[in-house]
Amino acid sequence: DGGITQSPKYLFRKEGQNVTLSCEQNLNHDAMYWYRQDPGQGLRLIYYSQIVNDFQKGDIAEGYSVSREKKESFPLTVTSAQKNPTAFYLCASSGGQVSFEQYFGPGTRLTVT
Amino acid sequence: AQTVTQSQPEMSVQEAETVTLSCTYDTSESDYYLFWYKQPPSRQMILVIRQEAYKQQNATENRFSVNFQKAAKSFSLKISDSQLGDAAMYFCAYSSRPEYGNKLVFGAGTILRVKS
Repeated sequence: DGGITQSPKYLFRKEGQNVTLSCEQNLNHDAMYWYRQDPGQGLRLIYYSQIVNDFQKGDIAEGYSVSREKKESFPLTVTSAQKNPTAFYLCASSGGQVSFEQYFGPGTRLTVT
Repeated sequence: AQTVTQSQPEMSVQEAETVTLSCTYDTSESDYYLFWYKQPPSRQMILVIRQEAYKQQNATENRFSVNFQKAAKSFSLKISDSQLGDAAMYFCAYSSRPEYGNKLVFGAGTILRVKS
C-alpha cells in the first residue's frame, strides 16, 4: 500500500528534551512538509522540502529542525528551544511541480510536561 | 502573504439535507489552487475537492461541489445529501503554484455536525 506513515502516534517527553518525529512516504513524492495543529486552529507550516538535501523554513520554524537525506524520509526534531511543543504534528507529501495535491500522514500527538 | 478565512466556526445539517461551508481568501497572485480538506475524529486529513484558479468551471466530486468566485475571492463547499459520515472539521486551504513551494495556507476550520 502506498502512503505516508508517522510514528509514533502518541509521544510523551519531559521539558528540556529534544524529540524526533518520524515521517516516511512510499509515494515517490519529491516534496514533503511538516505542519503543526493546535486545538481549534488550522494547520501551520513548520518546514518543507522540495528535493533531497534541501529544505526551507515555514511560518513557525523556530525551535524545530529537519533533515532530508533520503527522498522517502523527512524527520522533524522538536528542540528544547520550542516554547510550546505540545501539539498535533502532521506530515504531508506531494509530487511537487508534477502534482500539487498534498497527502497527509495520520499525525503524531506530542505531549511535553 | 496569503490568508484564508472561514467565518463559520460550527455548522449543523440534518441528514440528507444540503449544507454550504464558506471560505474567503486574500492573495495578489493570479494563478493558484484551492482545496477543501476533511478532518474526522481520527484526525486524518482527507482531501475532499480541489480547484485550479485558472479554471472557470466549478469542481465537483460526487456529493461535494464548490462555488468558486475568483473576483470575490470566495470558495464555498456544498455538501448534498449529507450523511452521518460527513461529520468532521472542514478546512479550506490555499496553495501557490508548485514552483513557488506548493505550501498550503489553511483557514481555522468549520466543525460540521450531522443530525439524524
